[in-house]
Amino acid sequence: EVQLLESGGGLVQPGRSLTLSCAASGFTFSSNAMNWVRQAPGKGLEWVSGISESGVTTHYADSVKGRFTISRDNSKNTLHLQMNSLRIEDTAVYYCAKGGGVAMTSWGQGTLVTVSS
Amino acid sequence: ERVMTQSPATLSVSPGERATLSCRASQSVSIHLAWYQQKPGQAPRLLIYGASTRATGIPARFSGSGSGTEFTLTISSLQSADFALYYCQQYNDWPLTFGGGTKVEIK
Repeated sequence: EVQLLESGGGLVQPGRSLTLSCAASGFTFSSNAMNWVRQAPGKGLEWVSGISESGVTTHYADSVKGRFTISRDNSKNTLHLQMNSLRIEDTAVYYCAKGGGVAMTSWGQGTLVTVSS
Repeated sequence: ERVMTQSPATLSVSPGERATLSCRASQSVSIHLAWYQQKPGQAPRLLIYGASTRATGIPARFSGSGSGTEFTLTISSLQSADFALYYCQQYNDWPLTFGGGTKVEIK
């Protein structure tokens, strides 16, 4: 059974940094592209970033380009999202999702990031 | 960027009736279109990919159609578990983009 478990969310002040992680199990992590998708409170889904199976190729939404960095450790089956210069509008539940450039077949339960002073 | 527009924003349907949800792309996405269902407090769940292929474990009452810029998700006979939010998403090109969602509510 595919499992994706996000961690690292919390309350952070504007301008500060936070790193999210997603622990994957139940599938061959190194053979699957991965994504981060977020959902602001009461709002719709917004794709944030994607990374290829090897980690060589990455993509970002314009709203986070230059501030967020996606990475992966295939030896530890873990996906990361380094978030710098956080803004109030980055407040959201962040989901990791399996599949990039294709439909997102599995999703974690999400981790809440709140950016507030 | 391909903008995805879903309509209607809210659909009021009685149990047992058919629901038809629409998704329009600003440029062609071929058949690289997925549909997701989301219930309150839960993560989205993949329903349809490739515009018309049901994901594993998805009941046959869910069907998808379309190609290019116009897509439809049909729920043939709504059950109580189907009242939820539905999103379309294109994966033809980066950035990946979602529609704004359609809420299917009980009439």
